This record gives sequence, structure tokens and C-alpha cells, in this order.
Amino acid sequence: EAGVAQSPRYKIIEKRQSVAFWCNPISGHATLYWYQQILGQGPKLLIQFQNNGVVDDSQLPKDRFSAERLKGVDSTLKIQPAKLEDSAVYLCASSLGTSKNIQYFGAGTRLSVL
Amino acid sequence: GDSVTQMEGPVTLSEEAFLTINCTYTATGYPSLFWYVQYPGEGLQLLLKATKADDKGSNKGFEATYRKETTSFHLEKGSVQVSDSAVYFCALSPTGNQFYFGTGTSLTVIP
Repeated sequence: EAGVAQSPRYKIIEKRQSVAFWCNPISGHATLYWYQQILGQGPKLLIQFQNNGVVDDSQLPKDRFSAERLKGVDSTLKIQPAKLEDSAVYLCASSLGTSKNIQYFGAGTRLSVL
Repeated sequence: GDSVTQMEGPVTLSEEAFLTINCTYTATGYPSLFWYVQYPGEGLQLLLKATKADDKGSNKGFEATYRKETTSFHLEKGSVQVSDSAVYFCALSPTGNQFYFGTGTSLTVIP
């Protein structure tokens, strides 16, 4: 079974530039999550999708972050414009979407904003 | 709100030493509890889980018991190996679809 795929693995940009990350979840997984993991901290949920609808985006900085999951499969997370404090690893995870389920994580995209 | 507090690191142990990483939680209801492991340069992987009080999760020699009376889910391993060096995250899920993670504990095992 293929795991959660993310790209790119690494990205370096200057502040005020834009960046986009891509995630392909495990086939058949209804729920998709984007997390931000700042160095030395645990993952913080940014947004959660159930199929192509948003379940929770309460911690997403909507003035600069956006995410979509067209057709309920792949997802993209965009930052525009980026700030220095956005430097982090962005993790995508997916799950079946049933209760008591397990999340499967991708390897993440490491973003450095200079 | 729901949250997880885990013991701060870093933790450095010699090979074959006993490991304990403490984790306590705050939650309403009966959440599921998890330990995830993150090896360098990789995403998080589920290590073990427990879904109800007194359940014991186990995998690869690691164990953790869901203790409702002490709201704890401490991770233990009797004899650590160099390959266990990683960052360990305690997490809870109150609904099965929302997850809250601790800050992580870095473990280094030296030969």
C-alpha cells in the first residue's frame, strides 16, 4: 500500500514570496489533515478536510494560508505572502475518517523562509 | 480544552537501559491515546495506541497503559537500542477525527 505522498521535500523562499505544497493521501482515505511543525514542537493542526469539505480550519491563518482539496483526493496548501515565522515542516496526514481511526503521515515539506 | 503534556527532553540513555517517557492528558470523555515516533528526516509513524481505560498498547518492545485514574499514558521499553533514537510524540484523539499532540521528547541511545 502506497503511503501519503508530499512534495516538494524542501523549499527555500524569501519572505513575502508565495509557496505551495502538494499532498496525495492514501487511496480511499476520506480525511486529510495539514499540520505545521515548528522546530522543537509537536504538530499543530492547520486544516482538516472530510472528502472535499473543510471540517476544521480554526487554526489556519486565513490572511495568508489557504488550502483546497478538489475532488476529495489530492490537496494543496498555499502560503501567500510568507513570513519568517512560517519556517517549519508542513506535514500532511490522512485517515479513513471513521471513529477510533489512525492517521498516516507523509514525510513532510521543510520550508525555510529567509 | 483537550491537551497532552509530555516529559521534556532530550533524553540520553545507554544501550539496553530502561526507558520511560511520561505523558499525561486532559480531556473530556474517553479519548483514544497514541504514541507516534519520528525518525530523522521522516514523518510521524504510529508506534502504539490504546482506545479505552486499562488497555495496553504495545509494539516493537514498547508499551503504554491507558490509566484513566491518573490520566496518564507513559511509554516504556525494557531495553533500548541505538535504532530507537528518535523523537516520540504522545497524542490524544477525543473523537477519532481530531488529534492533539504533545511537544515531543527526543531520545538518543548511545552504544
